[in-house]
Amino acid sequence: QVQLVQSGAEVKKPGSSVKVSCKASGDTFNTYPISWVRQAPGQGLEWMGGLIPIFATPNYAQKFQGRVTITTDESTSTVYLELSSLRSEDTAVYYCARDGGPFDPWGQGTLVTVSS
Amino acid sequence: EIVMTQSPATLSVSPGERATLSCRASQSVNSNLAWYQQKPGQAPRLLIYGASTRATGISARFSGSGSGTEFTLTISSLQSEDFAVYYCQQYNDWPPYTFGQGTKLEIK
Repeated sequence: QVQLVQSGAEVKKPGSSVKVSCKASGDTFNTYPISWVRQAPGQGLEWMGGLIPIFATPNYAQKFQGRVTITTDESTSTVYLELSSLRSEDTAVYYCARDGGPFDPWGQGTLVTVSS
Repeated sequence: EIVMTQSPATLSVSPGERATLSCRASQSVNSNLAWYQQKPGQAPRLLIYGASTRATGISARFSGSGSGTEFTLTISSLQSEDFAVYYCQQYNDWPPYTFGQGTKLEIK
């Protein structure tokens, strides 16, 4: 049974970047896709992108193209989400999830607050 | 991009009664439709995938139906722990995966 544990909350200035991690345990890491989904305060769920670690070729939602980078470190079974040029609208909880089409399981979420 | 539309936005139901939530896709997603439950401060939890298959450990009170563009999540005999926000998601045509805007199920 895979478990996903994310890094802790971040506070960032507008224009800066943030890098959130998602560490997998309990199952073969590099053969299943991991996706990132975010949720702004009081809002719904929004898919940002994902990749299959063994291939390390990401897919990104068009909305985030040019600002988002998803990478993997197979040696530590960790997937990273980096979002650049942060603005206040990027304040959200960022989730990683195993992507089998449906997402299951999910990480616990990482709150990223963008504020001057 | 496939647009997912859920209705109603808020549903008020009494404990012990049945709740019926709807999800419509802007084009066919076949049966590649999932339902999630989210409680405040928690990550979403997968309830249903393949439109009608319950995920591991999910109560038989939860059932899903539909195919193509029209889907339904039914929760029979509502219990206190069922009051939450529910999202549908299509995974037939991606990127991007897309979610509905959610239905809040509240106690009447």
